Amino acid sequence: GENVEQHPSTLSVQEGDSAVIKCTYSDSASNYFPWYKQELGKGPQLIIDIRSNVGEKKDQRIAVTLNKTAKHFSLHITETQPEDSAVYFCAATPYNQGGKLIFGQGTELSVKP
Amino acid sequence: DTEVTQTPKHLVMGMTNKKSLKCEQHMGHRAMYWYKQKAKKPPELMFVYSYEKLSINESVPSRFSPECPNSSLLNLHLHALQPEDSALYLCASSQDVTYTGELFFGEGSRLTVL
Repeated sequence: GENVEQHPSTLSVQEGDSAVIKCTYSDSASNYFPWYKQELGKGPQLIIDIRSNVGEKKDQRIAVTLNKTAKHFSLHITETQPEDSAVYFCAATPYNQGGKLIFGQGTELSVKP
Repeated sequence: DTEVTQTPKHLVMGMTNKKSLKCEQHMGHRAMYWYKQKAKKPPELMFVYSYEKLSINESVPSRFSPECPNSSLLNLHLHALQPEDSALYLCASSQDVTYTGELFFGEGSRLTVL
């Protein structure tokens, strides 16, 4: 079955710096890769996603890149702000198993003012 | 309305109690999910309902019993739980299981089993 590895487990940056979180997946048939942000005491919230037919996607300060050959995808946050502090999870959906998200272990991002 | 509402937010129960967690969505979604999340860990899938029918049970112990009374409601009945079942229980919904897209999560029910 699908397995998703996520690094680093913790990341501390200064406000205004960039943050990069990386994930690898094992199932080459996986075709959907969302990123979720989970703030303390809340449920995960989708911040950006990418499908296997796209190499890069950007939404304001957030971007995701996908390398299907290497089976890895990354989240890039530019101009970080204190409100970006949260736990970020990458995930993969195996082909034909819509809704069955396989999550990475999470990255706790801390943005220091 | 893009909300998934879960009640209660907090629940404390003894090992002999019977309780239920409730989840509601009004987005017209036909797939609903229960996830379990332990502290500092990712959510783990427990059950998937598609068009009100159970489609995935990730080998969850029978002391957890899901129910989908209609397309907007999802319940999780709890009985004879163990202290290790203490966790955040997240409900989620999506358009349907054949559509690979966003899952909308509720804020969770934090369960403590004494």
